[in-house]
Formats: sequence, C-alpha cells, structure tokens
Amino acid sequence: SAVISQKPSRDICQRGTSLTIQCQVDSQVTMMFWYRQQPGQSLTLIATANQGSEATYESGFVIDKFPISRPNLTFSTLTVSNMSPEDSSIYLCSVLLLAGGLSSTDTQYFGPGTRLTVL
Amino acid sequence: AQSVSQHNHHVILSEAASLELGCNYSYGGTVNLFWYVQYPGQHLQLLLKYFSGDPLVKGIKGFEAEFIKSKFSFNLRKPSVQWSDTAEYFCATWYSSASKIIFGSGTRLSIRP
Repeated sequence: SAVISQKPSRDICQRGTSLTIQCQVDSQVTMMFWYRQQPGQSLTLIATANQGSEATYESGFVIDKFPISRPNLTFSTLTVSNMSPEDSSIYLCSVLLLAGGLSSTDTQYFGPGTRLTVL
Repeated sequence: AQSVSQHNHHVILSEAASLELGCNYSYGGTVNLFWYVQYPGQHLQLLLKYFSGDPLVKGIKGFEAEFIKSKFSFNLRKPSVQWSDTAEYFCATWYSSASKIIFGSGTRLSIRP
C-alpha cells in the first residue's frame, strides 16, 4: 500500500497569485498523477508525472498554468499559476503501485486532496 | 479513447434496499475496471477491481460488481444498503495505451435512515 500526504490541506488565495501543492508518498513510485475535482463533479486528470521525464498534460491543461516538478520517486509538486476563481477546486495527488505491469495486484492510491478557493 | 459512463447522477434509497449502480465502458482492447468510493470528507478508496477471470468481483464492505462483456457493463451491487453507504461512487477504467485511469462522472448515493 501507499500513504500519501499533501500540503497544504486547504488554502484561500487571491486572484492572480500562484500556489504550489506538495505531494509526499511513503514509498517509491514511478507513476504519479495530479487530478482536479471541482465541486459536485468527477475527477479530471491534469497530468501524469513520471520521475525522469517531463509531465504529460491532458487536453485543456498546459504546463504554463500547471507546472509540475517530480524531483524523485517519492515527491512531486503541482503549481496553480495566475489563479482565477475558476481554479477553485480540490487538487488530488495519486500514485499507481505496479507489480510488474498492470495486474490484479496493482492499485491506485489517492491523497487527501488540497481544497483551493480563489477569491 | 477508452471511457466510462455512469448514467445515475443521484440515487436515493432507504436502508436495507438493494443497490445497483450502472457503469458502461467503451471497448478498447484489454479491459481493466474499478469502482471507487468517496465518503463525505474522506479520501477516494478502492472498492473492487476487475482484470480477468471470474466476472463477478467481490469487494470490501459487501459490494460486488459483475463484468458483462456483451453489455459493456460493470454494474456495482449491494444486496442491502446501510446509512453508512452514503457516498459518491466512481467507476473507472485503465486506459492502457496512455497509462492512466479514466473516471466516470460519479453517482451520489444517499441513504435514508
């Protein structure tokens, strides 16, 4: 299993500022994901952050707005840049533990989320 | 691209009623399917997953799901719900060619005590 922590757990920010969210995992993982969950909606994948390579962004998300760092196998950051009220959401870090290719023993774990409110 | 759809946006049941939440997936080669639950104010938790073998999958908390290939479905079931089952339920599929999990829109389950 994997235990994931995120900092901060919540924040209230002013329009035009930036916030960096940290994700720490208690074990080494190759595959790490950042999701957004807007109020009453499902999870939307922002990007996949694998250590040793550039993050891969989903349609509608760009590196300038959501820069990601992945310095090692246990840590990642997501920055929400130049925030607007539309960025108010819960941001979730997630990891996939693989047992040599996706198999019945592989599981995706989620962090507790960072609740962001932009005024 | 692979995708999942959940047609029930909000389901309201009384305690002890039987539950079935719908999930349909789009075909995309090897199918790997999941159900996650998010209790109010808590993390997403894995309820169960299907990779291969027995199409009837048993998960935690008395939940089960049946993979029906001919119907492209992976519905979640529980014979008798409890008030503590009140939560948001997400169906998901592993999109193998892109190495990522895709989530459905979610179903909010409300249980009347």
